[in-house]
Amino acid sequence: SQQGEEDPQALSIQEGENATMNCSYKTSINNLQWYRQNSGRGLVHLILIRSNEREKHSGRLRVTLDTSKKSSSLLITASRAADTASYFCATVYNAGNNRKLIWGLGTSLAVNP
Amino acid sequence: GAGVSQSPRYKVAKRGQDVALRCDPISGHVSLFWYQQALGQGPEFLTYFQNEAQLDKSGLPSDRFFAERPEGSVSTLKIQRTQQEDSAVYLCASSLNRGEQYFGPGTRLTVT
Repeated sequence: SQQGEEDPQALSIQEGENATMNCSYKTSINNLQWYRQNSGRGLVHLILIRSNEREKHSGRLRVTLDTSKKSSSLLITASRAADTASYFCATVYNAGNNRKLIWGLGTSLAVNP
Repeated sequence: GAGVSQSPRYKVAKRGQDVALRCDPISGHVSLFWYQQALGQGPEFLTYFQNEAQLDKSGLPSDRFFAERPEGSVSTLKIQRTQQEDSAVYLCASSLNRGEQYFGPGTRLTVT
């Protein structure tokens, strides 16, 4: 079963605006990853943040992680129409050999030109 | 080098038929994962291999689902006696470690 929940479920913004998506999870994790999925390119890894990190940047992406609240946020700055996609957070359990990703339900982002 | 490839990209099966879905991971990636994604949902974990060993098959929904990776490279997911609820996109991913996973384009299975 899925362990993460993203909110909002759907988000519609204008090009140039910032988009913030949140993710909550239930158990202790090794790392948390954000992925993007659209029909053109399938599922693509965006950024990984480890459980001992609090913030990470990659280009126009900023990810935060609060392990005390079991939550993460993804900020996309200066959005573009090409950012239109579904965004998922996924966690890797902090349990031995376990490497499987447990996924949230995703946020559907529409960036209007 | 090439990414993860999956075949076929689309499969239509009549209820009760057996299907076999293939995944070619990135060369050198020891970890291989299968996920099932229903329309409008996030992927759901099915099973995980490290080399040829199937270390976790807790996500396989029933004993009609079987996966193998006999030589630690190519993997096949087999679904026997397909049912309508098996209709979904089946995603394969490979990874070097606990980091990012690289996904194939998926196989869209439709059971009629």
